[in-house]
Amino acid sequence: AQTVTQSQPEMSVQEAETVTLSCTYDTSESDYYLFWYKQPPSRQMILVIRQEAYKQQNATENRFSVNFQKAAKSFSLKISDSQLGDAAMYFCAYSSNAGGTSYGKLTFGQGTILTVHP
Amino acid sequence: NAGVTQTPKFRILKIGQSMTLQCTQDMNHNYMYWYRQDPGMGLKLIYYSVGAGITDKGEVPNGYNVSRSTTEDFPLRLELAAPSQTSVYFCASSPVVAGLIQPQHFGDGTRLSIL
Repeated sequence: AQTVTQSQPEMSVQEAETVTLSCTYDTSESDYYLFWYKQPPSRQMILVIRQEAYKQQNATENRFSVNFQKAAKSFSLKISDSQLGDAAMYFCAYSSNAGGTSYGKLTFGQGTILTVHP
Repeated sequence: NAGVTQTPKFRILKIGQSMTLQCTQDMNHNYMYWYRQDPGMGLKLIYYSVGAGITDKGEVPNGYNVSRSTTEDFPLRLELAAPSQTSVYFCASSPVVAGLIQPQHFGDGTRLSIL
């Protein structure tokens, strides 16, 4: 079974600064997706970014980018120019794309609470 | 488009009671999921469905049942509520585009307390 580990229960950053959230995962598969989700206090689950394992290029979405290290099974999220609205719980998640039997099921990490200081 | 709609948003149950958490989506997605999120933790998959009439267990199915009679609806039933089922429940759905499952769309969650 796949596992996802987020080793930072809490992180903080000053507004306009850059912060990196860490995620490692364990899998024996070669074809999969990785995600970062944001959960603000409203508890909505908001997709931040997605990475396909077969793509070597790191995904970016505006101020959000990832550092995907497939061999090391590491998937960190970098938030640049942090804003007060970035404060939330961030979840790393894994989804297999192997053999047509994964059905898009997500395995989540434990989450990292990000605080943004003005 | 309403997306994924969950009702109720909040509910308190007594031990041993039963209830159904409703989930409906208006995006014609084939894939639907139920997750639970315990305090300070990530989401865990309870059940999922790949289409009407087809459901399967996820990581934590004990104490729950599901049905999928239509594409739109995927209710989750608790038969004998236990304190361990106090959690926030999320329903989600996914479209399939060109044979590839796309990222999930989540509902706003149902906070369930069992006392």
